[in-house]
This record gives sequence, structure tokens and C-alpha cells, in this order.
Amino acid sequence: AQSVAQPEDQVNVAEGNPLTVKCTYSVSGNPYLFWYVQYPNRGLQFLLKYITGDNLVKGSYGFEAEFNKSQTSFHLKKPSALVSDSALYFCAVRDGSSNTGKLIFGQGTTLQVKP
Amino acid sequence: GAVVSQHPSRVICKSGTSVKIECRSLDFQATTMFWYRQFPKKSLMLMATSNEGSKATYEQGVEKDKFLINHASLTLSTLTVTSAHPEDSSFYICSARQAHAYEQYFGPGTRLTVT
Repeated sequence: AQSVAQPEDQVNVAEGNPLTVKCTYSVSGNPYLFWYVQYPNRGLQFLLKYITGDNLVKGSYGFEAEFNKSQTSFHLKKPSALVSDSALYFCAVRDGSSNTGKLIFGQGTTLQVKP
Repeated sequence: GAVVSQHPSRVICKSGTSVKIECRSLDFQATTMFWYRQFPKKSLMLMATSNEGSKATYEQGVEKDKFLINHASLTLSTLTVTSAHPEDSSFYICSARQAHAYEQYFGPGTRLTVT
């Protein structure tokens, strides 16, 4: 079965410090991986994706993620956190058994950046 | 980036009535649209997948006669919650995907409250 795990319910960092939000996955076949961010009472915003190629993927708002096949991980990173980065972050993997592009989401990680 | 709108953003209805939520892709053609439900501080639960011009595919446990989905054009999908009850109160989010694209783009969500 395909799945995504975000082991941390919440991550707290100080503004200006680097941040990491963890994600591990389990898929059959090639993994297509995504990160989304959700601000309160809003829909999800697409941050970045890994389909193939370079393991380090750069996305919106200074975020990047590193695909690690051996560890089946796709952690989200940012070198210097901003208070405005505080939000709910979702990792997702495309369901390889579906031809509709259905995504399987992790349970979400709340990022809290303190001034 | 691709923009998806939802209308209304908030709706309050009485128990037993029906309510329709619209999802539009504003600057691209969406061959596939998805409807999700999200509970507070929880991940997204996929309700159904709809392809333009064909019947929606519902996830296990989602009542197709209660949650009617129509995807009549490449830019519009609607979700109608029929005979709504208080337990249907939730945050409903749609997303849209272009043909041959990997990522989904999400609408801003609709907060439904059934009294």
C-alpha cells in the first residue's frame, strides 16, 4: 500500500534559523512527491514537486526539498525561516495505482516560527 | 501559477436542505478535478475524483447520492451536498489538474455549516 508519513505534528523554529519538515513515503514504482502549504481557512498552495532528475528540488518562497531514495524521504527545508512561514505543511505522493493523478497526503505538520 | 476558485467561501444552511459548491479553474483547462473534505487540523480526505464529461469516482465510504458531483466542462465542477445534516459541516476543498500535469492546484475552500 502506498503511504506518506509526516512524523512530527508540530515543528518550532526561531526566525532566521534553518527549518526542516520531515516526510517519508512508501510507494510501488517511481515516487512522484509534492509539498503543499496551507494557511488558516485557505486551500493548499503548491510549493514544489519531485518527478525525476536532480535530488534537490527548489520551490516557491525559498523552500527546497531533498529526495533521498535510499531513505525513502522527501524532507522540506529552508535555510532561514520567516515568521510568515508559520502554517500547516503537507507532503503528498501520487497514487501510482490510479491513472487520475490522485494524491495521497500525509497528516500534516504545523510549522511555528517564533520571532 | 494556475488559479482555482471556489464559490461560496462560506455557507450556512438548515438541516435537510441542499447546498451547491462551485469549483472553477480560471486560467487552465482541468481534465480532472478532485473534491476533498478537511476536518479541523487534520489532513485532507479525498471524497471523489471527476473527469470532464464522465461520472465521478467516489472513494470508499463516500455516499454518491449524498454528495453529487458534476464536471460538465473543462473549467467547472460542482459538489452538491443533498439533505445536509450537521455532521456534514466541514471545510470542503477542490483541486484541479491539467492533462499531462503532475501537480494539483487547490481552491481556497468552502466552509459549510449546517444548523
